[in-house]
Amino acid sequence: EIVLTQSPGTLSLSPGERATLSCRASQSVSSNYLAWYQQKPGQAPRLLIYGASSRATGIPDRFSGSGSGTDFTLTISRLEPEDFAVYYCQQYGSSPPIFTFGPGTKVDIK
Amino acid sequence: EVQLVESGGGLVQPGGSLKLSCAASGFSFSGSAMHWVRQASGKGLEWVGRIRSKANSYATAYGASVKGRFTISRDDSKNMAYLQMNSLKTEDTAVYYCTRFRQYGEIGAFDIWGQGTMVTVSS
Repeated sequence: EIVLTQSPGTLSLSPGERATLSCRASQSVSSNYLAWYQQKPGQAPRLLIYGASSRATGIPDRFSGSGSGTDFTLTISRLEPEDFAVYYCQQYGSSPPIFTFGPGTKVDIK
Repeated sequence: EVQLVESGGGLVQPGGSLKLSCAASGFSFSGSAMHWVRQASGKGLEWVGRIRSKANSYATAYGASVKGRFTISRDDSKNMAYLQMNSLKTEDTAVYYCTRFRQYGEIGAFDIWGQGTMVTVSS
């Protein structure tokens, strides 16, 4: 079973700063099925990035995803006040079918 | 409006059963794979299971922690998905989300989420 590890656990930054979030898989995963989600308190997760680097509908271009194999990155170029939240990476493996989430990175206000 | 609305959560005793429902609207439900994801208070997201479309034989799959106890079904005529939970344990206490897994060709992700329904397993 593939395990996703996210780092750091918490990222304390100020608005306007750049955020770099890491997601590492225990073995190589398909970029086609690597996604990133944002979750704010009391809300459902929201899809940000799919296919490792494609932005979902309505997602601002300050969010970008990159990576392949075992190492993936979510970058927020300039943090806006509404970006302070928890971010999860997620992957899908087909044999057997299993969907795995990372433990999350909390981006909070410094 | 594209929407998923869960219902059926509540308090249940250990060993008991509960059935959650997910009402879909605003998109092609019958062609979509529907999943359940849960989140214990203060914890991360855990995939529970999924049911594929009729074109994919309504194939189901489950996470290890619920396999053999939970069953996912769907009624395409009503645009509904269900999660039947049996032999519930205290560790099943969580918010349960219904979500659609969208395929963009060879790429896929969970693009629509419900607001969640709370399940509490306690005596």
